[in-house]
Amino acid sequence: KAGVTQTPRYLIKTRGQQVTLSCSPISGHRSVSWYQQTPGQGLQFLFEYFSETQRNKGNFPGRFSGRQFSNSRSEMNVSTLELGDSALYLCASSLAWGYGTGELFFGEGSRLTVL
Amino acid sequence: GDSVTQMEGPVTLSEEAFLTINCTYTATGYPSLFWYVQYPGEGLQLLLKATKADDKGSNKGFEATYRKETTSFHLEKGSVQVSDSAVYFCAPAYSGAGSYQLTFGKGTKLSVIP
Repeated sequence: KAGVTQTPRYLIKTRGQQVTLSCSPISGHRSVSWYQQTPGQGLQFLFEYFSETQRNKGNFPGRFSGRQFSNSRSEMNVSTLELGDSALYLCASSLAWGYGTGELFFGEGSRLTVL
Repeated sequence: GDSVTQMEGPVTLSEEAFLTINCTYTATGYPSLFWYVQYPGEGLQLLLKATKADDKGSNKGFEATYRKETTSFHLEKGSVQVSDSAVYFCAPAYSGAGSYQLTFGKGTKLSVIP
């Protein structure tokens, strides 16, 4: 069974640009969550999607957005990149969020460097 | 808001030493409690979990007990191996207003030396 796949794994952008990251969840998983991981702030929740609907959102500016498609694949977008957006962006999928299992399956992440 | 406090690292131990990583959480409701582990260059993976008071989660020799009275979920292992070198994250899962969200601690980096 394939795991959570994130693309691209590494990317370099410059300030002011925008970036789109992609996540394919485990087959059958309908919930996708996104996290930002940095050395200073640790893991911070960005948002969660279930059945194409954003169910929860973390405390990030509107430059961070996401969406989920009917096949459960998800994308997140960051516009007008800032140096502080350099981070590892982790996607996680689960069978059905909110039903008490709590187990998230993480991808290896997309490492974004903003110059 | 909901939060979790995790022992600061890094922690360096010799092989076969005893490991404890402390974790306390804010007692909003009765969260499920999780430990996740991140090996170098990889994403996070679930290590163990406990969903109610006095439950003990265990996996790969690691254990943690849900202590409601002290709002703690400390991770322990009796004899660590070099292969246990990783970053460990404590994560309570809070529910409310139709959502269910994991809140991760800052992580504790463990290095085990032969």
